[in-house]
Amino acid sequence: DVKVTQSSRYLVKRTGEKVFLECVQDMDHENMFWYRQDPGLGLRLIYFSYDVKMKEKGDIPEGYSVSREKKERFSLILESASTNQTSMYLCASSQSPRAQFFGPGTRLTVL
Amino acid sequence: GIQVEQSPPDLILQEGANSTLRCNFSDSVNNLQWFHQNPWGQLINLFYIPSGTKQNGRLSATTVATERYSLLYISSSQTTDSGVYFCAVGASGSRLTFGEGTQLTVNP
Repeated sequence: DVKVTQSSRYLVKRTGEKVFLECVQDMDHENMFWYRQDPGLGLRLIYFSYDVKMKEKGDIPEGYSVSREKKERFSLILESASTNQTSMYLCASSQSPRAQFFGPGTRLTVL
Repeated sequence: GIQVEQSPPDLILQEGANSTLRCNFSDSVNNLQWFHQNPWGQLINLFYIPSGTKQNGRLSATTVATERYSLLYISSSQTTDSGVYFCAVGASGSRLTFGEGTQLTVNP
């Protein structure tokens, strides 16, 4: 079975802090994705990566950056967290262009 | 971009009932997936189905790409089927656009 893990289930940070969300997949998938999910807005793509060191902006990249130094790991970085970044963050991976598999999510609260 | 519309937005069933969820999309796609999000927030991939019909136990899905819709059938529903069902589509590569989901509640 594909396994996608995320570093934290719940996270509380202060405004202005730098925040790292980590995602690891164990199936040697090419593609990895970061989404955020908000009530009434559904799932929105922040960034995705189709290979090591490669990345593309999704629909809402502002305020975020990403890093993919190894194939199995994809990090989402909030350079200076703001309260409007309070959300559920979901990581996924896939072998192009097949099924996407999601991690359990990180519920981030920015105070 | 592609528009994805799911119906109904909410559905309440008694255990044992059958249901059909619909996903309409606005453009040609080469990637279509159905997901179930359980009450704890975990998204589970149910089907990768850009065309044709697939079945997995009590669930089955059909995509008619030429008419731009997909259907998810749930038979003999159980309380554990409760949650939100998402349809997601893509026109090129692996990037997906998600619909707003159908909230399903199955009562005992």
